[in-house]
Amino acid sequence: AQSVTQPDIHITVSEGASLELRCNYSYGATPYLFWYVQSPGQGLQLLLKYFSGDTLVQGIKGFEAEFKRSQSSFNLRKPSVHWSDAAEYFCAVGPTGKLIFGQGTTLQVKP
Amino acid sequence: GAGVSQSPSNKVTEKGKDVELRCDPISGHTALYWYRQSLGQGLEFLIYFQGNSAPDKSGLPSDRFSAERTGGSVSTLTIQRTQQEDSAVYLCASSLAAGPNYGYTFGSGTRLTVV
Repeated sequence: AQSVTQPDIHITVSEGASLELRCNYSYGATPYLFWYVQSPGQGLQLLLKYFSGDTLVQGIKGFEAEFKRSQSSFNLRKPSVHWSDAAEYFCAVGPTGKLIFGQGTTLQVKP
Repeated sequence: GAGVSQSPSNKVTEKGKDVELRCDPISGHTALYWYRQSLGQGLEFLIYFQGNSAPDKSGLPSDRFSAERTGGSVSTLTIQRTQQEDSAVYLCASSLAAGPNYGYTFGSGTRLTVV
């Protein structure tokens, strides 16, 4: 069955520090992978997506993610976190109309 | 419209009552999705519509939940005889068509509280 696991429910980093949010997926075919961000009271916004090709994808707001097939992972990274990055982050997988989302990781940024 | 619009933004209802949640997708988007976001549970797929095809209802948790999409545009999610476990944020999204090439645009959600 398709599934997405985000092992970290909550992460706190200092402003300016680097960030990595983990995502592991289970999917029987070539996955289409996504990262979304949800700020308080807002809808989800697409950060980046991977379909094929270069396994390192760049997204908006300075985020990037790397697809590693051997590890079934699609971790999100940012070299230097800003206070405005505090939000909830969701990883998702799916080739068809409906996406399967992970449980989300809440990011807190310390000044 | 410019984005996906959901109404109401907040709804408090008594246990046992029926509720209707509305979603106005982006004009021209043929695919429409409903998800439920419960505290600490991530996003749970409920149902999706694609054009004139039969909707994929595989995520609806019980027969108390139903949804329709009229004229290929507005969608209404109906929950009958609400229970406390139905309390959640209900998110709607639309896309130009179904498929990973087409990004979802999400609405801000309806927060449902069943008391």
